[in-house]
Amino acid sequence: EDQVTQSPEALRLQEGESSSLNCSYTVSGLRGLFWYRQDPGKGPEFLFTLYSAGEEKEKERLKATLTKKESFLHITAPKPEDSATYLCAVQASGTYKYIFGTGTRLKVLA
Amino acid sequence: EAQVTQNPRYLITVTGKKLTVTCSQNMNHEYMSWYRQDPGLGLRQIYYSMNVEVTDKGDVPEGYKVSRKEKRNFPLILESPSPNQTSLYFCASSALKGVYGYTFGSGTRLTVV
Repeated sequence: EDQVTQSPEALRLQEGESSSLNCSYTVSGLRGLFWYRQDPGKGPEFLFTLYSAGEEKEKERLKATLTKKESFLHITAPKPEDSATYLCAVQASGTYKYIFGTGTRLKVLA
Repeated sequence: EAQVTQNPRYLITVTGKKLTVTCSQNMNHEYMSWYRQDPGLGLRQIYYSMNVEVTDKGDVPEGYKVSRKEKRNFPLILESPSPNQTSLYFCASSALKGVYGYTFGSGTRLTVV
């Protein structure tokens, strides 16, 4: 069964304290892996798509990487405005369904 | 401005009273989808559509209907809502069968009493 698991469930960081969020997935074949940011009461906002193992994408303080079984979202020197829930999703080959993980709630303290 | 517009934002209804949540996008996207978001369960796909008149079930389609008569619109219909459909609903759209990232709407918070 296709599955996406994110860890940790919640993470508190001091401003400037770098860390990584994990997304592990089990799919028969990967069409794409997606990262989103969601602020309370709002719809998720698209961050990155990764298509194949070894691929990396960057945006400001965020960097996403992909292996054959997991993806990491690295946050370098985070700021309080990076506080949000970060969601990972996969789209498997042979289907156009999406499967989302339950997210990591990130809190960055000033 | 490129966007996905959902209406209403908030809705309280009674069990069994048919309702429709509208969704419209202005980006000419082929792919549209509905999700529900519940605490601890994350986003679960209800239905998706790859183009006009082409729809398919997601993971939790029971109790819901959709239609795609025009490219820009993808309404979600609850013909006989029940309390277990109380949730936060999101509509989303994407180009190229969802291979690119989604643009999400602002959400509809539905309460069924």
